Amino acid sequence: DIVMTQSPDSLAVSLGERATINCWSSQSVLYSANNRNYLAWYQQKPGQPPKLLIDWASARESGVPDRFSGSGSGTDFTLTISSLQAEDVAVYYCQQYFSTPLTFGGGTKVEIK
Amino acid sequence: QVQLVESGGGVVQPGRSLRLSCAASGFSFSSFGMHWVRQAPGKGLEWVAVTSYDGSKKYYADSVKGRFTISRDDSSNTLYLQMNSLRTEDTAVYYCAKPLGTSSGTDFIFSLWGQGTPVTVSS
Repeated sequence: DIVMTQSPDSLAVSLGERATINCWSSQSVLYSANNRNYLAWYQQKPGQPPKLLIDWASARESGVPDRFSGSGSGTDFTLTISSLQAEDVAVYYCQQYFSTPLTFGGGTKVEIK
Repeated sequence: QVQLVESGGGVVQPGRSLRLSCAASGFSFSSFGMHWVRQAPGKGLEWVAVTSYDGSKKYYADSVKGRFTISRDDSSNTLYLQMNSLRTEDTAVYYCAKPLGTSSGTDFIFSLWGQGTPVTVSS
């Protein structure tokens, strides 16, 4: 199984400042045949189901603000919120879809400082 | 509109069974593989199971293999999760999830989630 690890577990960022979340996979999720990273990011606000933000490590879903960006390849990935807004308070999860069982990171809680 | 609505959750004793349902609407249900994902109280997300669009292929997390069965009824646009031999560690909110697409890779990205149905396993 591919183990996904996120850090930090939580972070507090001032409004308008940058938030950076890291995600590592225990093995590469880069598929050489198509050079794509099988890595997604989700946002979960309290009392709500998760929402897909980014797939293929860096492709933002339609309607997701451009302050959210994903980067990385292979085993190391990053979700960046360039200018934190109050509505971004949530838990963020990475997920690999390279192989079953599909696995998620433990989550990173983002709060306002 | 495009939505998923889960039902069937509740409180059940260890060792007993429960069947969850997920009613899909607003999209071509029969074209998509479908998933169950769960979230224990205060914890992270755990993928549970997936069925292919035609029900011919099913995959499970090791934690539920042999106890849970995923199935679908395309005539009623409904996804099911039959949960047997329930354990206290199965306590969670259970979400059904529609994938982003039908091609390889996109079928394992969760683009639409229901609101979830809570399951509590307790004596």
